[in-house]
Amino acid sequence: DAGVTQSPTHLIKTRGQHVTLRCSPISGHKSVSWYQQVLGQGPQFIFQYYEKEERGRGNFPDRFSARQFPNYSSELNVNALLLGDSALYLCASSLDLAPTFGAGSRLTVL
Amino acid sequence: GEDVEQSLFLSVREGDSSVINCTYTDSSSTYLYWYKQEPGAGLQLLTYIFSNMDMKQDQRLTVLLNKKDKHLSLRIADTQTGDSAIYFCAEIPNDYKLSFGAGTTVTVRA
Repeated sequence: DAGVTQSPTHLIKTRGQHVTLRCSPISGHKSVSWYQQVLGQGPQFIFQYYEKEERGRGNFPDRFSARQFPNYSSELNVNALLLGDSALYLCASSLDLAPTFGAGSRLTVL
Repeated sequence: GEDVEQSLFLSVREGDSSVINCTYTDSSSTYLYWYKQEPGAGLQLLTYIFSNMDMKQDQRLTVLLNKKDKHLSLRIADTQTGDSAIYFCAEIPNDYKLSFGAGTTVTVRA
């Protein structure tokens, strides 16, 4: 059974550009969450979606948005990229209260 | 600052036991988690404990919970070189968001 898959694994953007990150949850998992992990820190919560509805949002600016599709996959969008957006973006899916994480998408903003 | 606090580094000799400590703030957290992150990888769920338990054992891993002091620990018996990683403690103060500590880097020396 496939785990949580994320794409792309690595990408480089320049300031001001836009990025879309994708996540496919474990089959049967209806909840998807996004986290940002800056180098040397723990992951910080960005969003959670359940059954295509936003259930929670962390302390991130409106440049960050997300959505969940009918097949429960999800996209995270970040507009007007800043240097400080450089991080590992992690997606987690869950059926109960034991979230399973993907390997992440490493974003570098130059 | 972090709601979950961990010591940053731990060095242990191969074959010895490792103990990683964590303090959390939200007494309403129903579950507490330990995740492992190897270099360049996502987060691997190691174990979790329900807040009405005070101990959970899973093979080489033992979790102790002192709810009165809001203190959580992870003991790894017979530590191996493959246990070298960053270990994150996390609480779930509501039903959708994981709140992580900054992580403890464990180095296993021969």
